[in-house]
Amino acid sequence: AQSVTQLDSHVSVSEGTPVLLRCNYSSSYSPSLFWYVQHPNKGLQLLLKYTSAATLVKGINGFEAEFKKSETSFHLTKPSAHMSDAAEYFCVRTYLAAGGTSYGKLTFGQGTILTVHP
Amino acid sequence: DAMVIQNPRYQVTQFGKPVTLSCSQTLNHNVMYWYQQKSSQAPKLLFHYYDKDFNNEADTPDNFQSRRPNTSFCFLDIRSPGLGDTAMYLCATSRPPAGRGGDTQYFGPGTRLTVL
Repeated sequence: AQSVTQLDSHVSVSEGTPVLLRCNYSSSYSPSLFWYVQHPNKGLQLLLKYTSAATLVKGINGFEAEFKKSETSFHLTKPSAHMSDAAEYFCVRTYLAAGGTSYGKLTFGQGTILTVHP
Repeated sequence: DAMVIQNPRYQVTQFGKPVTLSCSQTLNHNVMYWYQQKSSQAPKLLFHYYDKDFNNEADTPDNFQSRRPNTSFCFLDIRSPGLGDTAMYLCATSRPPAGRGGDTQYFGPGTRLTVL
């Protein structure tokens, strides 16, 4: 099965401390991987995307993620949390048919709610 | 700025009363998607259009229909909304899936639908 597992449903950090949101994927083929952020009552905003180029991907708002094929992981990090980072984060992968062709479909993780304390 | 726009942002309807949600895009993308997102859940794909080709997900209820009159617009019609259809509805667009890996989906702000 082509799945995405976000290992924590909730993460709580203090402002100014590092953020780590964990994501593992399963697949026979290397997928494209994304992190999206969703603030309350808003749509999904793309943070960053991995598509088999550099394994360390830098995104917006100081976030970055590292693709580790050996661990099938794509964890999202930020050195210093800001209050405005409080939101829900989704790790997402492309759905790949046999042969590695994507039909544009996405597989979502269940989401991680990030809380940032003053 | 190129973007995905959804109207209305909030919609309240009565049980069984048809409702139409609208999505427009200035990105000139070939593919448009509709997702349903219930509270505390990940978005669930309902269907998508690749140009004029309609692709329905196997588990999308017949109550949900879609129209795409041109490249820029796509509509979600719920013929007889039930209480269980209360959710956020998200529209997204992308260029055609570029073989291996696909392409990025860009989401609109969503329409929050409440069925009373």
